[in-house]
Amino acid sequence: DVKVTQSSRYLVKRTGEKVFLECVQDMDHENMFWYRQDPGLGLRLIYFSYDVKMKEKGDIPEGYSVSREKKERFSLILESASTNQTSMYLCASSIRAGGAYEQYFGPGTRLTVT
Amino acid sequence: AQTVTQSQPEMSVQEAETVTLSCTYDTSESDYYLFWYKQPPSRQMILVIRQEAYKQQNATENRFSVNFQKAAKSFSLKISDSQLGDAAMYFCAYNDMRFGAGTRLTVKP
Repeated sequence: DVKVTQSSRYLVKRTGEKVFLECVQDMDHENMFWYRQDPGLGLRLIYFSYDVKMKEKGDIPEGYSVSREKKERFSLILESASTNQTSMYLCASSIRAGGAYEQYFGPGTRLTVT
Repeated sequence: AQTVTQSQPEMSVQEAETVTLSCTYDTSESDYYLFWYKQPPSRQMILVIRQEAYKQQNATENRFSVNFQKAAKSFSLKISDSQLGDAAMYFCAYNDMRFGAGTRLTVKP
C-alpha cells in the first residue's frame, strides 16, 4: 500500500515564524502536491512537483515556497507565517503526471498561526 | 481554468437508503478524468471512483456509481444501501488538481 506521511498532525506557530511542513511518500511516485483545505472552499492547490528539484505554482502560491531535493520528500515552507495561513494542509502523491492518476493523501497537518 | 462546483454543502441519508451527490465542472477539453474522493472524519482522503471522459459507460465500484453526463458537464455520485461508514466529506475532482468545495454526508441510523 502507498503510504504518505506528514511530519505533524497538529502545529501551533506564532506570526512571523518560518514553518516547515514535511511530506514523505514511499512508492516512488513522480508527482507530489501540497493543498490547503478550508471549510466551504475545498482543496486548493498551493504547489506541485513533477520531479526532483522541479516545482510548479498552483492556484494560491503566495506566502509559500516548496522544496523537493529527493523524490520521496516534498516540503512546504511558510516563509513568515500569518494568521490567514491557519488551515489544514494536505500532501498528496500520484504515480505520474497527466491528470489520469489517483492521488494518495497524507493525514494532514492542522496548522494554527497565532 | 477548469472549475468544479459541488452545490450541496451538506446531505443526509437514512441507513440502507440511496443518496446522490452532485458535481458540475467547466472545461473546454475533450479528454479528462473525473474523481470522487472520500474523507472520513479525522482520516485520510481516499479514492472512491474514477471516470474517464472518453468512456460513455458510467463507472461503478460496488455500492458506488456515477452518472456522467459529458454534454451537461455533470458527474454525480450515487451511494446505494448507505452504511454508517459512508459518513464523510466527499470531494469531486477534475483531473488531478482541481477539487470542488465538498459535500458533508451524514448517515442516520
